[in-house]
Amino acid sequence: DAGVIQSPRHEVTEMGQEVTLRCKPISGHDYLFWYRQTMMRGLELLIYFNNNVPIDDSGMPEDRFSAKMPNASFSTLKIQPSEPRDSAVYFCASSFDDGQPQHFGDGTRLSIL
Amino acid sequence: GNSVTQMEGPVTLSEEAFLTINCTYTATGYPSLFWYVQYPGEGLQLLLKATKADDKGSNKGFEATYRKETTSFHLEKGSVQVSDSAVYFCALSELWNTGNQFYFGTGTSLTVIP
Repeated sequence: DAGVIQSPRHEVTEMGQEVTLRCKPISGHDYLFWYRQTMMRGLELLIYFNNNVPIDDSGMPEDRFSAKMPNASFSTLKIQPSEPRDSAVYFCASSFDDGQPQHFGDGTRLSIL
Repeated sequence: GNSVTQMEGPVTLSEEAFLTINCTYTATGYPSLFWYVQYPGEGLQLLLKATKADDKGSNKGFEATYRKETTSFHLEKGSVQVSDSAVYFCALSELWNTGNQFYFGTGTSLTVIP
């Protein structure tokens, strides 16, 4: 049974470049979440979708960040332009329904030089 | 607003010691409560959950009881193992008019030494 799949696992790029992180949720899960994890700020919810529609994007840091979910099996988180302070581990998670446990991917470790 | 406060770490215990990681929450209604565990280099995994007052979640020897009177959901294990070394997150989910709200604690790092 495939879990949440994220790609790439690691990304190293120079500041100013566009970064795209990808996520495939578990089939049948209606909710998809994007998180950012750093030592300083812990785990932060960036945005979440219900049935492909963004519900709460209040955690998105600024306009450089955008997220899309064109269909039930795919979502992207894009940073353009990237900055060194965006370096973090980005997690995608999905859940079946309201209040149900979230299933996390293994994360993308992003380093902006 | 809602929040989750958990015991700061790091916590270091000897193998077979008793573990308690405190978690308290603030919520306006009746949230669902969760404990997640994160092993190095991996994403968070659900450890256990409770959806209503007095429910006890349990898994792999870990337990937590949903205490509405004290707004707590403390994680306990009677005898820890080296393999339990990880970061533990308390979390809540509550349905508001605007949609579900999700809150994670800051995480508590546990190291178990042989």
